[in-house]
Amino acid sequence: EAGVAQSPRYKIIEKRQSVAFWCNPISGHATLYWYQQILGQGPKLLIQFQNNGVVDDSQLPKDRFSAERLKGVDSTLKIQPAKLEDSAVYLCASTLGAGLSTDTQYFGPGTRLTVL
Amino acid sequence: AQSVTQLGSHVSVSEGALVLLRCNYSSSVPPYLFWYVQYPNQGLQLLLKYTTGATLVKGINGFEAEFKKSETSFHLTKPSAHMSDAAEYFCAVTAGGSYIPTFGRGTSLIVHP
Repeated sequence: EAGVAQSPRYKIIEKRQSVAFWCNPISGHATLYWYQQILGQGPKLLIQFQNNGVVDDSQLPKDRFSAERLKGVDSTLKIQPAKLEDSAVYLCASTLGAGLSTDTQYFGPGTRLTVL
Repeated sequence: AQSVTQLGSHVSVSEGALVLLRCNYSSSVPPYLFWYVQYPNQGLQLLLKYTTGATLVKGINGFEAEFKKSETSFHLTKPSAHMSDAAEYFCAVTAGGSYIPTFGRGTSLIVHP
């Protein structure tokens, strides 16, 4: 079974530029998550999708971050414009079911973003 | 609201020694607790989880953790460390209807020969 795929793996941009990350979850997984992991910290949830609908985006900085999952499969996360503090690893995860609190999340390898 | 505290940002052990990584949680409702491992340049992988039932939970790679409600702890142990266990370990908690996990800051396990 293929795991969660993410691209690119690394990205370096200058502040005020735009960037987009892509995630393809495990086939058949209904729920998809985007996390931000700042160096030295644990992951922080940005947004959760169930199929193509947003379940929770309360921690997404909506003035600069956006995400979509148009066909209920893969997803993109965009930052526009980027700030220095956005430097982090962006992790995508998926679960088979509806994202209950006991569900096992499967994580992708992440995209490491460096903003100069 | 829930929170997780991982004591010690770095733990160093000799190969073959006991591994003990500490996790304490705070939750106003019964928690669900998780341990994840993250190898360099990789995503997180679930080691084990506690939801209900038996408080001693066995996971992959010889790890286990015990839920102690009275101590609000969920420490991770392994009897004998392997060089391949060197990684970052994260404790996480969800609780009740909150499906949003709260992660600790992580503990880096260093295994030396």
